[in-house]
Amino acid sequence: DAGVIQSPRHEVTEMGQEVTLRCKPISGHNSLFWYRQTMMRGLELLIYFNNNVPIDDSGMPEDRFSAKMPNASFSTLKIQPSEPRDSAVYFCASTDYNEQFFGPGTRLTVL
Amino acid sequence: GQQLNQSPQSMFIQEGEDVSMNCTSSSIFNTWLWYKQEPGEGPVLLIALYKAGELTSNGRLTAQFGITRKDSFLNISASIPSDVGIYFCAGQKIGNQFYFGTGTSLTVIP
Repeated sequence: DAGVIQSPRHEVTEMGQEVTLRCKPISGHNSLFWYRQTMMRGLELLIYFNNNVPIDDSGMPEDRFSAKMPNASFSTLKIQPSEPRDSAVYFCASTDYNEQFFGPGTRLTVL
Repeated sequence: GQQLNQSPQSMFIQEGEDVSMNCTSSSIFNTWLWYKQEPGEGPVLLIALYKAGELTSNGRLTAQFGITRKDSFLNISASIPSDVGIYFCAGQKIGNQFYFGTGTSLTVIP
């Protein structure tokens, strides 16, 4: 298995632009998580899905952030409009009940 | 979300020394996981623990699930330079959400 796949690996954009991050979970895993990692705040859970259904989005910073999981093999995290304080590494992780596996992350820089 | 108390925050050790780090929480967890993260990469799962009191090894790594279900420790024996990285603990409660420690940064001096 290729593991969790994320794209792009790096994204540099200007303030106000829309950013879309993509994730392909490990086949057969029933849960998908989006995290944000910064030096100041560490790993923060943004949202997670069970069987494609959003369960807890209380970590989503504000309405500028949205996430979708249209099917079991694909999820997106969208930021519109982006702001410099959104700069961070965004991780997607998938879980088969007890063990969580992370993707390589997308490093987002908003200028 | 909730974070676990992980200590120490950083460690600088000589190659060959043993390392110990731990995580504590005021909450009970059903699963404890330990990860290692290297620069520019995502966290990689090292060890998973499922039962209170469980002691599990993975090569030079040994981890234990505390009897109270509120803590866990990770030991690394005979450290080598490639052990360098940030180690995270994570606890899972019923309902699938995971909670992460703040990380222990390990530096191994050759």
